[in-house]
Amino acid sequence: AQRVTQPEKLLSVFKGAPVELKCNYSYSGSPELFWYVQYSRQRLQLLLRHISRESIKGFTADLNKGETSFHLKKPFAQEEDSAMYYCALLPSGGYQKVTFGTGTKLQVIP
Amino acid sequence: DVKVTQSSRYLVKRTGEKVFLECVQDMDHENMFWYRQDPGLGLRLIYFSYDVKMKEKGDIPEGYSVSREKKERFSLILESASTNQTSMYLCASSAPANTEAFFGQGTRLTVV
Repeated sequence: AQRVTQPEKLLSVFKGAPVELKCNYSYSGSPELFWYVQYSRQRLQLLLRHISRESIKGFTADLNKGETSFHLKKPFAQEEDSAMYYCALLPSGGYQKVTFGTGTKLQVIP
Repeated sequence: DVKVTQSSRYLVKRTGEKVFLECVQDMDHENMFWYRQDPGLGLRLIYFSYDVKMKEKGDIPEGYSVSREKKERFSLILESASTNQTSMYLCASSAPANTEAFFGQGTRLTVV
């Protein structure tokens, strides 16, 4: 069975500092990885996925198959980045059952 | 604008009551999901459905059942609510061709 681990429950950084939200996964095949974000009083929404290789709101994430990691990074944190971030994994093939991590709350200090 | 709508934002129910949480999506998605969201535990999948009248157990199905009679509607049922089912419940949908999941606004259920 697949598993997603986000080791930090809370990450506090100062505005302008770099951000790295960690995500490690365990899965024997080739999964699709995602980052979802939930801003205060808003619904959970997709931030980015590894197959698109794009930068969204300044965030990037690279899939490292050797380390089974998909860390989310941003060079300069903004106050509006404060939110709950979830890493998620979709197994290859079969039904689309997504597994989420436990989430990391990012707090950007002004 | 794509939409997943959950029927209630807040619900308070008594222990032992039968509770229905409703979810409707207007995107013609085949896949629908019910998660519960708890601090420190993240999102845990309760049930999902990949077609009308089809359902699959997720990671924590005990104490829950689901119904999908129409493609756009997916209901979560708590047969006999208990206090440990107090939580935020999230519904989501997705299409097989697009793996992004779209979420509802959530229902915060309190069982007293």
